[in-house]
Amino acid sequence: KAGVTQTPRYLIKTRGQQVTLSCSPISGHRSVSWYQQTPGQGLQFLFEYFSETQRNKGNFPGRFSGRQFSNSRSEMNVSTLELGDSALYLCASSSRISRHEQFFGPGTRLTVL
Amino acid sequence: KNEVEQSPQNLTAQEGEFITINCSYSVGISALHWLQQHPGGGIVSLFMLSSGKKKHGRLIATINIQEKHSSLHITASHPRDSAVYICAVSPGNQFYFGTGTSLTVIP
Repeated sequence: KAGVTQTPRYLIKTRGQQVTLSCSPISGHRSVSWYQQTPGQGLQFLFEYFSETQRNKGNFPGRFSGRQFSNSRSEMNVSTLELGDSALYLCASSSRISRHEQFFGPGTRLTVL
Repeated sequence: KNEVEQSPQNLTAQEGEFITINCSYSVGISALHWLQQHPGGGIVSLFMLSSGKKKHGRLIATINIQEKHSSLHITASHPRDSAVYICAVSPGNQFYFGTGTSLTVIP
């Protein structure tokens, strides 16, 4: 069974631009969660989608948004990028809601210049 | 305010030593997770606990719900155990993460 995949793996953007990151969960998994990891703040929960519905949201500004498609693939979007958005963005999938075992993707490393 | 506190932040051990990493949390939880992150970023879920104790190979995880405390033990540590270990708790609708324990095992 293929693992969680994320694209792209690396991305460089400039301030003010927007970016879309993609996550394909393990086949059969319906829950996708997104996390941001920075050296200063560590891992922080962004949001969780289950069956195309956002179930939970962390404490991030509205510039961070996401969606999930009928095939469970998920995208997250960050608009009006700021330098502080430079981070490793990880997604994880779970067969059920997020409190169950999560399987992480390799992450997308975003650099904002 | 940190919902999850881990200790120690950094740990260096000689190969073969017994290692303990601690995690304390302040919220009610439905599950606690131990994660391992190697250099390069990949995260692996080691354990998910809601009570008692779990063992997988040389790794043992315990949780005391009343004391809101969990420990991760590594027996007979090996250099390949060198990684960051992260405790995460789930009150059901959120995930709160500890800042991680960076473990280096020296041959």
